[in-house]
Amino acid sequence: QKEVEQDPGPLSVPEGAIVSLNCTYSNSAFQYFMWYRQYSRKGPELLMYTYSSGNKEDGRFTAQVDKSSKYISLFIRDSQPSDSATYLCASYNTDKLIFGTGTRLQVFP
Amino acid sequence: DTEVTQTPKHLVMGMTNKKSLKCEQHMGHRAMYWYKQKAKKPPELMFVYSYEKLSINESVPSRFSPECPNSSLLNLHLHALQPEDSALYLCASRGQGVQAYGYTFGSGTRLTVV
Repeated sequence: QKEVEQDPGPLSVPEGAIVSLNCTYSNSAFQYFMWYRQYSRKGPELLMYTYSSGNKEDGRFTAQVDKSSKYISLFIRDSQPSDSATYLCASYNTDKLIFGTGTRLQVFP
Repeated sequence: DTEVTQTPKHLVMGMTNKKSLKCEQHMGHRAMYWYKQKAKKPPELMFVYSYEKLSINESVPSRFSPECPNSSLLNLHLHALQPEDSALYLCASRGQGVQAYGYTFGSGTRLTVV
């Protein structure tokens, strides 16, 4: 079992839709959770990071962590074509950043 | 300066060549990383340097040789690579404190081995 699991998609939504991206993890020791956005042929860019359980909001983006169910979510409100990218969830363990497989998102006008 | 700069952006090399990838950051981060990313896959950790010392080597073949000459610079020396080593090579750095877990990635070097 991979330590971080993520549905690879692709996910295709119309502009303005609410997007929900999800991951699960298996290691109870994980406490830091991150979402990265990666455009084609670019390096990953940190979008959000959360510590332990709870919600964190930044503009149109909301990250949620539920440690009881080992579930990580990223919500994107009012999605834009510029949000089209691969979204990677990740967690941190003993100086290793462990990524999910990434979900490809396409937002069409 | 909040960037990690990687050079070159693209590299084509033969299986008998020796080349080096370079990574530079001026954020004062003391942890630096090399990742390898194949198409449609997540980045995979190769090496971790902490305070200029190699702290993690993820069983990477010896044809990849990392070097950290100072706290701002990270190199990856390549020799006798195989075509399956073709990938995007990403460098990242991480700071200390509350924001420590937000790694900053460079744009990568796209390597093709022919």
